[in-house]
Amino acid sequence: DAKTTQPNSMESNEEEPVHLPCNHSTISGTDYIHWYRQLPSQGPEYVIHGLTSNVNNRMASLAIAEDRKSSTLILHRATLRDAAVYYCIPWGAQKLVFGQGTRLTINP
Amino acid sequence: EAGVAQSPRYKIIEKRQSVAFWCNPISGHATLYWYQQILGQGPKLLIQFQNNGVVDDSQLPKDRFSAERLKGVDSTLKIQPAKLEDSAVYLCASSLGGTGNYGYTFGSGTRLTVV
Repeated sequence: DAKTTQPNSMESNEEEPVHLPCNHSTISGTDYIHWYRQLPSQGPEYVIHGLTSNVNNRMASLAIAEDRKSSTLILHRATLRDAAVYYCIPWGAQKLVFGQGTRLTINP
Repeated sequence: EAGVAQSPRYKIIEKRQSVAFWCNPISGHATLYWYQQILGQGPKLLIQFQNNGVVDDSQLPKDRFSAERLKGVDSTLKIQPAKLEDSAVYLCASSLGGTGNYGYTFGSGTRLTVV
């Protein structure tokens, strides 16, 4: 499984953009990059995934480096409901392997 | 679309007792997963089913844990006998396929406390 490095915690202000970084230098060429988030007392929630190109959906954008060794999840305008633990997961060996993630705090 | 349903939501048992958790995945999702999440940690995969066959159970403590997925739909996870260290949230997830191009949908989980 590819190893990931994410900041343990980040803090941002409401209505500001948030850039959550992830390093996955050992990712294989066929691994998709998935992002999930987990709100308190809930199961993880799918956010976005991609392979090589940048991706956008209603929740967030995913920017993937050209060498694929890192990616950034972008929340364009953070709200208090975005406070959660965010997991970056290269999908390999047919399964999602969760790390410790980044705990995002949003200040009002 | 309905989400992944899990029950019970909470369970408290004494050590050495047995317990079972139930999961109903999203209709049409062929792949089903059980994860264990200990407080303060990320979820850990216990077992993965493709339809009603086991794809990966390498992290399942088979001396006490068992799981089945009859008819490729609902699944149950059982612990017998339970230990104190089994206290955790047990999460069920499903996806359309077992490849990286499909997202997972998780249920809300069952919080197990072993006393």
